[in-house]
Order: sequence, then C-alpha cells, then structure tokens
Amino acid sequence: AQKITQTQPGMFVQEKEAVTLDCTYDTSDPSYGLFWYKQPSSGEMIFLIYQGSYDQQNATEGRYSLNFQKARKSANLVISASQLGDSAMYFCAMREGGGGGSNYKLTFGKGTLLTVNP
Amino acid sequence: ETGVTQSPTHLIKTRGQQVTLRCSSQSGHNTVSWYQQALGQGPQFIFQYYREEENGRGNFPPRFSGLQFPNYSSELNVNALELDDSALYLCASSPGEGYEQYFGPGTRLTVT
Repeated sequence: AQKITQTQPGMFVQEKEAVTLDCTYDTSDPSYGLFWYKQPSSGEMIFLIYQGSYDQQNATEGRYSLNFQKARKSANLVISASQLGDSAMYFCAMREGGGGGSNYKLTFGKGTLLTVNP
Repeated sequence: ETGVTQSPTHLIKTRGQQVTLRCSSQSGHNTVSWYQQALGQGPQFIFQYYREEENGRGNFPPRFSGLQFPNYSSELNVNALELDDSALYLCASSPGEGYEQYFGPGTRLTVT
C-alpha cells in the first residue's frame, strides 16, 4: 500500500484565492512526522511546514497551514492568498519513528502540480 | 537558499560507466540523506549517513554506494550505470533527530 497518497495530479487556483492540496498517509507507527515541500521547476525541494503526530494544534507557517486530521490520516496543505510564485510541484512526505541519535528517511507522495492563474 | 550544495549540476554518462556525485551539507548538520527522483515522480530514499556511518538504506542495489566525510560532506557513487538511473539526485542534510531535511539543488544525471 502507498504510504503517502496525493490524489490531485494537478490543481488550478486564481491569484489571491486559497487552495487546499490533499495528502493521506498510512502508518502503524504512533510516532511520525508529516512534511510539505515545494519544488519549483529549478528542482530544489523547499521545506514549507511540519506536523508531528503528537502535536495538538495544526501547524502554520505564514500563508501555509496544515489541516491535520489524525483519525482520518490526512494532512492537507492550505495555501492562503495564492501568489503567482506559488506555481510549483508540491510534495507531501512522512517520516516514521522517532528517538535515537539520527534522522529518518522521508517517504514522498507523487506530488501535485499547482498552477496559479493571474 | 538552504546552504546545501551539490556538484555537478548536470552530467551525461554512458551505460556501464561509473559516476560520483557530491554534496556539502549545511554547517552544523551531521546527517546526510540521498534521494533519487525520476521524472514525474516523488523522491525515493537511497540511503542516509549519520556521523560517517550508513544509517538506513532504501530499496536500491549495492552498485549505489556512498561515503560521508569528517566534515559531514558526502558522496554518492553509482557503478555500472543503467538507463533507468537517469534522474535528479537530491542530497538533504539535517542537524539530527527529528529535524526537517534541507535539500540541495540536485544533480541531474542522464545515462545514454
């Protein structure tokens, strides 16, 4: 089974409007982290936002917020007031486990291509 | 910018050749992970190095190998290149447990 599922291959939004990018995940580990990255056409993965499995509140970073619904295993990214520069691929990723002295691998979804129209 | 650098930016190799990709991690970061991103796909985890030791490996054959140096920079070596190895190779560094990974700009490898 896919660990990270992004069901929207492409999304369109008008400039200044809000958009939600969907992400569902699958894990049996009680400790995990969820990440969203933006990848412009240049290729670099840009970290946007992080949500830990034990975090009680939804994460927010500027115009980005993460709608975390643990029981439904979803971690949707909400971008408010879209800008033309937001046009890019967006990836949801999960890190399973925690503790110890090292980091853990990220498992990525297939991504959603967001296009912001003027 | 994240402070993670990769070299070269692009390269073209022939099937059967060997290639070495390099990554300089952000200052203070002791963990480096490598990912392969095929066209139209999300990145796939290759392996991770923590304090110069391999710390986890994805589903990649042994011809994918790596090193991490005392300054925490890293190399990814791929032997006996195959056409399917054509991809964007991303390096990510992090300061350790529980922290987000900061990615470099990637190396785009084309195997002909």
